[in-house]
Amino acid sequence: EDQVTQSPEALRLQEGESSSLNCSYTVSGLRGLFWYRQDPGKGPEFLFTLYSAGEEKEKERLKATLTKKESFLHITAPKPEDSATYLCAVQGYSSASKIIFGSGTRLSIRP
Amino acid sequence: KAGVTQTPRYLIKTRGQQVTLSCSPISGHRSVSWYQQTPGQGLQFLFEYFSETQRNKGNFPGRFSGRQFSNSRSEMNVSTLELGDSALYLCASSLELAGSYNEQFFGPGTRLTVL
Repeated sequence: EDQVTQSPEALRLQEGESSSLNCSYTVSGLRGLFWYRQDPGKGPEFLFTLYSAGEEKEKERLKATLTKKESFLHITAPKPEDSATYLCAVQGYSSASKIIFGSGTRLSIRP
Repeated sequence: KAGVTQTPRYLIKTRGQQVTLSCSPISGHRSVSWYQQTPGQGLQFLFEYFSETQRNKGNFPGRFSGRQFSNSRSEMNVSTLELGDSALYLCASSLELAGSYNEQFFGPGTRLTVL
């Protein structure tokens, strides 16, 4: 069964303090791994899609990387506005179109 | 290009009632998925519709149902509401072109409160 585990559950950083969020996955044939950002009371906002091991994508202070078993979301010199819940999701070939979400990492950046 | 829209944004119902939520996908998107989000369970997949057919279904009771119209708009219905159905209901659409990777784009959600 496809599975996604995110760690840590919550992370508090000082402004400017870089760190990484982890997404471990089990899927029979990865079709795509997705990262989303979600602010309280709002729908998730799409950030990145990663397709194959070794791939990297960047957007402002965020960089997502992918291996065969996990993905990392690196946050460089974060600002308070980066505070949100970050969700990881995977889609496997065997699960048809179903996308499986992790439980998310709540990131809080203190000024 | 307009994003995914959901109506209503907020809803208060009492136990035993039924509710219908609506979702309009991004123009040109043919797949619509529905999710339930609660603090304890996170994002739980309800079902997905493509070309007016349910293509995938999560592990929810039969009280939860949905449909998709020919213009790709979708509705979900919950009958005999229970207190535990209180949640943020999210709709997501994706393009579903052959060979594309199916990033989903979410709407703002409908906050359902069951009293």
